[in-house]
Amino acid sequence: EDKVVQSPLSLVVHEGDTVTLNCSYEVTNFRSLLWYKQEKKAPTFLFMLTSSGIEKKSGRLSSILDKKELFSILNITATQTGDSAVYLCAVFSGSARQLTFGSGTQLTVLP
Amino acid sequence: GAVVSQHPSWVICKSGTSVKIECRSLDFQATTMFWYRQFPKQSLMLMATSNEGSKATYEQGVEKDKFLINHASLTLSTLTVTSAHPEDSSFYICSARDPRGANTEAFFGQGTRLTVV
Repeated sequence: EDKVVQSPLSLVVHEGDTVTLNCSYEVTNFRSLLWYKQEKKAPTFLFMLTSSGIEKKSGRLSSILDKKELFSILNITATQTGDSAVYLCAVFSGSARQLTFGSGTQLTVLP
Repeated sequence: GAVVSQHPSWVICKSGTSVKIECRSLDFQATTMFWYRQFPKQSLMLMATSNEGSKATYEQGVEKDKFLINHASLTLSTLTVTSAHPEDSSFYICSARDPRGANTEAFFGQGTRLTVV
């Protein structure tokens, strides 16, 4: 059974801090790992990672994948209150042909 | 980019009635769509995989007679919650992947907040 584990489950920081969110996985026939941000409604796409060691960046957010150690991290620098959300990690595996989601990390950024 | 539209965004219904939720892919044809349920402060739980022109594949523990899925066209899948009860109150989200690209990014509908009273 495919498994995706995120840590920490929740995190409270102050504006300006840098945070690192973790996602580890155990899946058969890994295809890609995806990060989503979920506020009040449906998740919005952040990154898709398929290759090890290649950092993807979008503004203050960046993410990298380690396929040898089976994990990914999502970094957010200079956090803002608007970054408060649940961050979901999901893995697409060829065997399941669907996304398996982690439990999410609830990030709260205080002013 | 690809867009998935879900309707309605919220619905309140009486116990015992049925509710239909629609999921449309607006600018691509989706042979496969996915239906998720999300409880408060929890992650998305896959309910079923909706396949165009064939029966849906349900995850273990999901009652197929209660959650009817129809994928009649390449751009529309529907989830009908039959004989709804208060415990069915939840946030339901659909997603679809654009098969034109090599990527596996999933696009989500806006979600439907169902409240059964």
